[in-house]
Amino acid sequence: DTGVSQNPRHKITKRGQNVTFRCDPISEHNRLYWYRQTLGQGPEFLTYFQNEAQLEKSRLLSDRFSAERPKGSFSTLEIQRTEQGDSAMYLCASSLEGAPDTQYFGPGTRLTVL
Amino acid sequence: AQSVTQLGSHVSVSEGALVLLRCNYSSSVPPYLFWYVQYPNQGLQLLLKYTSAATLVKGINGFEAEFKKSETSFHLTKPSAHMSDAAEYFCAVSHQGAQKLVFGQGTRLTINP
Repeated sequence: DTGVSQNPRHKITKRGQNVTFRCDPISEHNRLYWYRQTLGQGPEFLTYFQNEAQLEKSRLLSDRFSAERPKGSFSTLEIQRTEQGDSAMYLCASSLEGAPDTQYFGPGTRLTVL
Repeated sequence: AQSVTQLGSHVSVSEGALVLLRCNYSSSVPPYLFWYVQYPNQGLQLLLKYTSAATLVKGINGFEAEFKKSETSFHLTKPSAHMSDAAEYFCAVSHQGAQKLVFGQGTRLTINP
């Protein structure tokens, strides 16, 4: 068990560019969550998957954001036409369906939009 | 809707002193409550959780928290602070069947030598 991993750890991009982040959950965990954390704030829920199905999306997830989990294993979060307001830490977490209350977090991807 | 309020965005204590980080919650259903710790440039690590069993919950690194329904509180304590406790601490709430955690704004703990 190597924990939740996220890549890249840091991403700097120019406004208007597209970016994609990857999350690899703990291997036997079938639930996967994305959160966004802006400076000085607590994480905010974006979306979650059970296996490959995306079951809930926050209003924070505008149409420029899309998340996938094609085979129920790793997940990707894509932001199109990035804006400076997208600058944040993007956190991924995973949990077991039988123990959804215990979410294990990855180290996060810090996005800076110039 | 559920929410969490952490009283005090910054708390500073001396090494060896009592640590008390305050958390109050709002929930229309029986809550699950959590404390997470975040070190600089890292993800969140679960310290402890309350899920309707014992109201006094013991966690890792000597931390504990007590669920008080009458006060809608879940304060985090540690009897003796250590330099390594310096970090950001987040209180979070969910409920049975919920898929997401709702976090407070965090409290930055500083330990003075």
